[in-house]
Amino acid sequence: EADIYQTPRYLVIGTGKKITLECSQTMGHDKMYWYQQDPGMELHLIHYSYGVNSTEKGDLSSESTVSRIRTEHFPLTLESARPSHTSQYLCASSVGNQPQHFGDGTRLSIL
Amino acid sequence: DQQVKQNSPSLSVQEGRISILNCDYTNSMFDYFLWYKKYPAEGPTFLISISSIKDKNEDGRFTVFLNKSAKHLSLHIVPSQPGDSAVYFCAATRGGGYNDMRFGAGTRLTVKP
Repeated sequence: EADIYQTPRYLVIGTGKKITLECSQTMGHDKMYWYQQDPGMELHLIHYSYGVNSTEKGDLSSESTVSRIRTEHFPLTLESARPSHTSQYLCASSVGNQPQHFGDGTRLSIL
Repeated sequence: DQQVKQNSPSLSVQEGRISILNCDYTNSMFDYFLWYKKYPAEGPTFLISISSIKDKNEDGRFTVFLNKSAKHLSLHIVPSQPGDSAVYFCAATRGGGYNDMRFGAGTRLTVKP
């Protein structure tokens, strides 16, 4: 029962394109997160939000930006994609001290 | 720097036997630890957690042990089932917040029928 949705699931696109990865959750969670994960590596937090109009950068530097205009929506944007952006991007949400719920991820390949 | 380490990339066990997945951490400020399970093409799902005030937490077939002095935790699955085959991630945080949670690189568990 997917309560947090990420689209697209897979994206192959050329260098220089603007990309927006979508993340929506239906649980009313106030906190949302974006992680980046390369194969066989740990997840790294790149952005998080504690509520509407609140966004912060995570521990891993990223050229992406995020916005949180609505509680349920937390899109991630790359203004000009490069091959170094090739990775898997995972969105998550949480409320209180409850563990995070993760989406199924977007696998991004930049040619 | 990698503050949470899972030194075994993979583990294979026979169905019905015990699976033991290990995790080490370096930051003594971590006080809350979680295990996530991930199937291919799906996101991680929460499995079990433990607070630093405890040394053991059990949930059905899954038990997590915490050794604070050694900065080590382990996940025991007894008995292992083929459906347990997945990648298991260890994670650690402090103060109950997830904005500074650190993940290990994961251990791929294969349970053979």
